[in-house]
Amino acid sequence: AQTVTQSQPEMSVQEAETVTLSCTYDTSESDYYLFWYKQPPSRQMILVIRQEAYKQQNATENRFSVNFQKAAKSFSLKISDSQLGDAAMYFCAYRIILRGYALNFGKGTSLLVTP
Amino acid sequence: DGGITQSPKYLFRKEGQNVTLSCEQNLNHDAMYWYRQDPGQGLRLIYYSQIVNDFQKGDIAEGYSVSREKKESFPLTVTSAQKNPTAFYLCASSPFRGTGGTEEAFFGQGTRLTVV
Repeated sequence: AQTVTQSQPEMSVQEAETVTLSCTYDTSESDYYLFWYKQPPSRQMILVIRQEAYKQQNATENRFSVNFQKAAKSFSLKISDSQLGDAAMYFCAYRIILRGYALNFGKGTSLLVTP
Repeated sequence: DGGITQSPKYLFRKEGQNVTLSCEQNLNHDAMYWYRQDPGQGLRLIYYSQIVNDFQKGDIAEGYSVSREKKESFPLTVTSAQKNPTAFYLCASSPFRGTGGTEEAFFGQGTRLTVV
């Protein structure tokens, strides 16, 4: 079974600083897909960034980037120049191809951004 | 505008009653999913459907049932057999056939179910 582990239940960062959220996963598949979703207080799930395992280049989306270490099965999210609007729950997710492309989520990291 | 609509936003149920949560999408997505979210537990998969008239159990299907009679609709029934139904429920959809695995899953705004 594919498991996703987020070892940091809570993180805090000052505005304009950089923070890294960790995520590890367990799989025996060679090709797979990883995602980070954000859930603000409105509880609407928002895609932050995605990564295909066969691509060695780390994905980036504006201030968000990942550090994808396939051998270590690690998929951390780096947020640069943090803004107050980044405060949210962040979920790492693994796409399960054999389950209709369903996402398997970690338990989440709550990010607090302080002025 | 295309998207996923869940209704109602808040739902109260008496113990022993069945209740149905609605999920409708106009994104023309083949696949639809139901997740349950509890504090500190992340999102857990209840049921998923890849095509009309077909659905599969996820990790926590006991006490729940679904139907997929139309591509746009995937209602979830929380039955009286579900021992702890109070939770936040999220519906999602994504393309499935002939697409790669990086397609985004789109989520509804959720239904908060409370047993009273």
